[in-house]
Amino acid sequence: EVHLVESGGGLVQPGRSLRLSCVASGFTFDDYAMHWVRQAPGKGLEWVSGISWNGDAAGYASSLKGRFTISRDNAKKSLYLQMDSLRPEDTAFYYCVKGQVVSGPFDNWGQGTLVTVSS
Amino acid sequence: DIQMTQTPSSLSASVGDRVTIICQASQDINNYLNWYQQKPGKAPKLLIYDASNLETGVPSRFSGSGSGTDFAFTISSLQPEDIATYYCQQYEDLPTFGQGTKLEIK
Repeated sequence: EVHLVESGGGLVQPGRSLRLSCVASGFTFDDYAMHWVRQAPGKGLEWVSGISWNGDAAGYASSLKGRFTISRDNAKKSLYLQMDSLRPEDTAFYYCVKGQVVSGPFDNWGQGTLVTVSS
Repeated sequence: DIQMTQTPSSLSASVGDRVTIICQASQDINNYLNWYQQKPGKAPKLLIYDASNLETGVPSRFSGSGSGTDFAFTISSLQPEDIATYYCQQYEDLPTFGQGTKLEIK
């Protein structure tokens, strides 16, 4: 069974940084692209970023304006999201999501970690 | 970015009703369209992938259709456990989601 467990969320002041982590189990991690999807409280889903199976390719939502960096460590079966210059509008639940070998549907989701950006 | 317009934003129906949600893409996305169900306080769950394929373990009352720019998601006979918010999502380009449809029991 696939498990994705996020950590690293919390309360952070505007302008500061935060790093989210996700540990995966139950599948061959380095075979699949991985993604981060976020959801502001009471709002819809927004894809944040995705990374290829080997980390060579990454994509980001245009709304982020280069503030976030996705990475992965296949030896540790872990996915990361470095979030810099955080803004109040980045407040959301951040989900770690399993993709496909290439592009495709998001077939497994973590439980989410809440990031709150506030002074 | 490809915009996904999902209608209606909310829907109230009775148990046993047939329910349909529409999703329209701002450009041709072939069949690169998925549907997700999200229950309150839970992570989303994949129901339909590539427009019309039922994910393993998903009840057959759920179905999807369409290609190009116009897609539909249907619940053939609404059950109480189907109360949730439903989202479409395209992956022809960088992924984007529809705004969601909140489904309630009448």
